[in-house]
Amino acid sequence: SQKIEQNSEALNIQEGKTATLTCNYTNYSPAYLQWYRQDPGRGPVFLLLIRENEKEKRKERLKVTFDTTLKQSLFHITASQPADSATYLCALADRGSTLGRLYFGRGTQLTVWP
Amino acid sequence: GAVVSQHPSRVICKSGTSVKIECRSLDFQATTMFWYRQFPKQSLMLMATSNEGSKATYEQGVEKDKFLINHASLTLSTLTVTSAHPEDSSFYICSARDPLGRRYEQYFGPGTRLTVT
Repeated sequence: SQKIEQNSEALNIQEGKTATLTCNYTNYSPAYLQWYRQDPGRGPVFLLLIRENEKEKRKERLKVTFDTTLKQSLFHITASQPADSATYLCALADRGSTLGRLYFGRGTQLTVWP
Repeated sequence: GAVVSQHPSRVICKSGTSVKIECRSLDFQATTMFWYRQFPKQSLMLMATSNEGSKATYEQGVEKDKFLINHASLTLSTLTVTSAHPEDSSFYICSARDPLGRRYEQYFGPGTRLTVT
């Protein structure tokens, strides 16, 4: 069966450290993978997208990697701040699905403490 | 950036009544909108894909007669939960793609918290 697993339900780190979140998928052929931030009671906000033929993408303090052999994406937040505390969702678009249709993981709740 | 709004943000209704949730793209025209449902600590589950001017495509297990979707214009899609029951209580989120924007980017609304008593 198809699965998207974000291995840690919760991650707590100290301010200034790098947070690394993991997303593994099974039985999908991703055209691309996205990472979103979701705050309590709000809709997801798009952060980064990485395509199947890309290894790494960066945006300010954010970095995402994509390994289609391992079927895994890693999402890094460097120099983390308490304001980064939120739930982070990975989502992928399967090559065989309708354009724009996304499959989501359950998310990892990140807490950055001072 | 593109903005998607939802109304209402919260609604409480009695069991057996119907509730309509609106999803609007404010600064772009969306030929396709998506409706999701999210239970606490769960992932977003796609309910249906809403296409302007045509019938919505429902995911397996979603009752189309219970969750009515209307995408009457390029900026508005509505989801009506008919004969709501307590188990329909959830967080409903819509999203839209801007066909003139970046091909892969999707914009989400702020969500609607539905509580059925």
